[in-house]
Amino acid sequence: TQLLEQSPQFLSIQEGENLTVYCNSSSVFSSLQWYRQEPGEGPVLLVTVVTGGEVKKLKRLTFQFGDARKDSSLHITAAQPGDTGLYLCAGARSNTGKLIFGQGTTLQVKP
Amino acid sequence: GAGVSQSPRYKVAKRGQDVALRCDPISGHVSLFWYQQALGQGPEFLTYFQNEAQLDKSGLPSDRFFAERPEGSVSTLKIQRTQQEDSAVYLCASSLASRGRNYGYTFGSGTRLTVV
Repeated sequence: TQLLEQSPQFLSIQEGENLTVYCNSSSVFSSLQWYRQEPGEGPVLLVTVVTGGEVKKLKRLTFQFGDARKDSSLHITAAQPGDTGLYLCAGARSNTGKLIFGQGTTLQVKP
Repeated sequence: GAGVSQSPRYKVAKRGQDVALRCDPISGHVSLFWYQQALGQGPEFLTYFQNEAQLDKSGLPSDRFFAERPEGSVSTLKIQRTQQEDSAVYLCASSLASRGRNYGYTFGSGTRLTVV
């Protein structure tokens, strides 16, 4: 049973297009994190969202945490080939440091 | 060190062989996590240490998997009698955060284990 469902699982777009990746759960998380992973490397933290309804921006990336702290989205504006990679959302529970990861979204941005 | 260091980067083991994977976390990070990742999938939790205490080992798939962190720093993940289904990337991560407050992990580059 996947506690965090990411969609879509695969996305192939042209440079300059916009995209949104969704991360959904029936469970409440105390915080939710987004990571980006390139082949042969470990995931790298992009952002942590903690408050329901919170929106954070990181250059062309916009992250939102749902009001009920059960879901999140990542929106990329004007995607570039350097955005290519595996995007992972991960939720933390309040009573443990353990992170639960979604299955990931593989993004390919073609020049 | 500046980052989380894992060794070896690649390991090929014959089925039935024992392997040991090492993780050097960032100095001062109290929390250390091991994850298993299949190709193109998200990491799956294996086990968690706070200092030298193993607080959660619920993700270890069988009693062939064993992890330790005896001095609260370096950790070793040992897999006995490896099977083909153990082939995966094993990721180690560390965090400053104590239990209950997680503000992000720093991951190592992983060890790719291939069992033949």
